[in-house]
Amino acid sequence: GAVVSQHPSRVICKSGTSVKIECRSLDFQATTMFWYRQFPKQSLMLMATSNEGSKATYEQGVEKDKFLINHASLTLSTLTVTSAHPEDSSFYICSAGLARTDTQYFGPGTRLTVL
Amino acid sequence: AQRVTQPEKLLSVFKGAPVELKCNYSYSGSPELFWYVQYSRQRLQLLLRHISRESIKGFTADLNKGETSFHLKKPFAQEEDSAMYYCALSIQGAQKLVFGQGTRLTINP
Repeated sequence: GAVVSQHPSRVICKSGTSVKIECRSLDFQATTMFWYRQFPKQSLMLMATSNEGSKATYEQGVEKDKFLINHASLTLSTLTVTSAHPEDSSFYICSAGLARTDTQYFGPGTRLTVL
Repeated sequence: AQRVTQPEKLLSVFKGAPVELKCNYSYSGSPELFWYVQYSRQRLQLLLRHISRESIKGFTADLNKGETSFHLKKPFAQEEDSAMYYCALSIQGAQKLVFGQGTRLTINP
């Protein structure tokens, strides 16, 4: 149990376009989902915390207008990278948290390449 | 501010040797610590958490509040233990994790 999926697993886009990444909890309801960014050979950096039905909480230095997060249901959160630029190229990972626990279950990640 | 430090980026040991991956934290609240592991081409997964006080795949980790450490240990390393290991701290009330830089463990045959 506790499986989290991400779609797409890999995306290549042109500079200036927007890209949407989906994160789904397949067999449980996630009141909270998290979005991370991971640069090559570096650790995961939390970008934002997404709570179902409310606005996301962004970490310091993360542009909320650049990285739009929507958590419309207890099983789906989306991250939209707007007007993507090459410096946005990275590995984006989501995780879903079980209610009243600190346990997070991670998705497989999405590799974004902006040309 | 909360911080997790893993001083070793790379650690290489021989099969059968003991292994210790170091983790130190800085946090003013009551810490809850985790070790996550990422095997090659797989997603990040929870290895163990300090409140469980359990041994997973032969690994154990003890929270030492005096030294603010949560080192991961295994007495006899196996080749399948080769992976990236991340120590993480849970922020009380926020449900979010702060990760260390990670240690890449390589077990040599």
